[in-house]
This record gives sequence, structure tokens and C-alpha cells, in this order.
Amino acid sequence: DADVTQTPRNRITKTGKRIMLECSQTKGHDRMYWYRQDPGLGLRLIYYSFDVKDINKGEISDGYSVSRQAQAKFSLSLESAIPNQTALYFCATSDPGRVTQYFGPGTRLLVL
Amino acid sequence: SQQGEEDPQALSIQEGENATMNCSYKTSINNLQWYRQNSGRGLVHLILIRSNEREKHSGRLRVTLDTSKKSSSLLITASRAADTASYFCATATDNYGQNFVFGPGTRLSVLP
Repeated sequence: DADVTQTPRNRITKTGKRIMLECSQTKGHDRMYWYRQDPGLGLRLIYYSFDVKDINKGEISDGYSVSRQAQAKFSLSLESAIPNQTALYFCATSDPGRVTQYFGPGTRLLVL
Repeated sequence: SQQGEEDPQALSIQEGENATMNCSYKTSINNLQWYRQNSGRGLVHLILIRSNEREKHSGRLRVTLDTSKKSSSLLITASRAADTASYFCATATDNYGQNFVFGPGTRLSVLP
């Protein structure tokens, strides 16, 4: 969905490095989410934000942090990347009162 | 913990046949959604069914929900090669998005 963009699309990094994944949206949605996808496990929620001042941990927040710089921007950071954080990361947005989520194209991260 | 579990994990059919995928979940829900993911891309919302609904249609898609059995099915009729993708059910216990849980998905292959 071109309304939700993620950068970078692919990233290879080494253990211990700090990595930031960025998400931008033009849908005007207040709510934004970060998920990771691993083979056979579906998507798991890392963090979510219902507005600029509201940040909440999801199911698997350990090892991750986020920043909501503006309504349209939500960044995910790995302070010290480790190999088991190798995964496909998705950003999503939704409108308050509507449960449908709109996903970005994903960032494929490989931690060596 | 995963709320939704799709069945089968993988399904291979011929073009023109119908494809049925099932989703089971464990706790009471507010709504259930089905998403499609083409290989390596973001998820796309297909259809939402609320807990007080039993069946919904959208084009070639038919979704049923049986809250007594805590299960849902997605039927794709007259399948096409372009339907080849992974299909995920996602359950929500409210309308706010923080309890939105995806299953591991069913990988559908439609052979020409």
C-alpha cells in the first residue's frame, strides 16, 4: 500500500549495531503499529501508538524501542541488534474506531 | 500467545477450483478479519466479520463465523493463479487495536 511506506526495504547488519526502521503514512491515521513476521508464526505486535503522545508495548517489545515523531511517522529501533531479530518487519496504521489495518511493504532485516 | 490458528498450513489447487481455509481461535472476540499477503509484501485487508454476524460476502470471497465453535472459514470461489498468496486470520477482542492477533497463515497455491 503506497499510503504506508517503510525504509529501508532491506537491511543487513551485524550483531551489536543500532538499527532504525522508519515508517511514514499519508492516510491521516492516528494509530500506528510495528509487527515482526517470522516463518510459521504469523505477525506479532512489537509496539503500537494511538497518537503522538501514546506509546504502548506489544507482545514482544523486549530489545526494541519506538519513537512517534509526528502523526505520520513511527520509527522502530533495535538498540543492539542480535541474530534472532532477523525477520520481516511491518508497519501498519488504522483509524480510531475502525479495526482494519493498512500495512506497509515491509522491511527485511538480516542480523549477522 | 496466538489467538488464531489457520488450517491447513498449505493448500494447492487447480485454477477454477474453490479454496477453503479455516481459522480457529481460543477466546471470545469482537471481530475477525482475513488478510492476504503476496510473497514478501505487506498484508492486504480482505474482509471483516463481526461477532454478531454469521456470514459475509465480498466478490469471490465468502467468510463464515461460528462463535460457538470459535472458528471461521474463508472460501475463495473459482480460484485464479493471482489468488496465490498466504492468507491470515486476525482476531480482535475490541475495536481499539491493541488486542489484534494474527494466526500463522495458510499458504495457497493456485496452479494454472
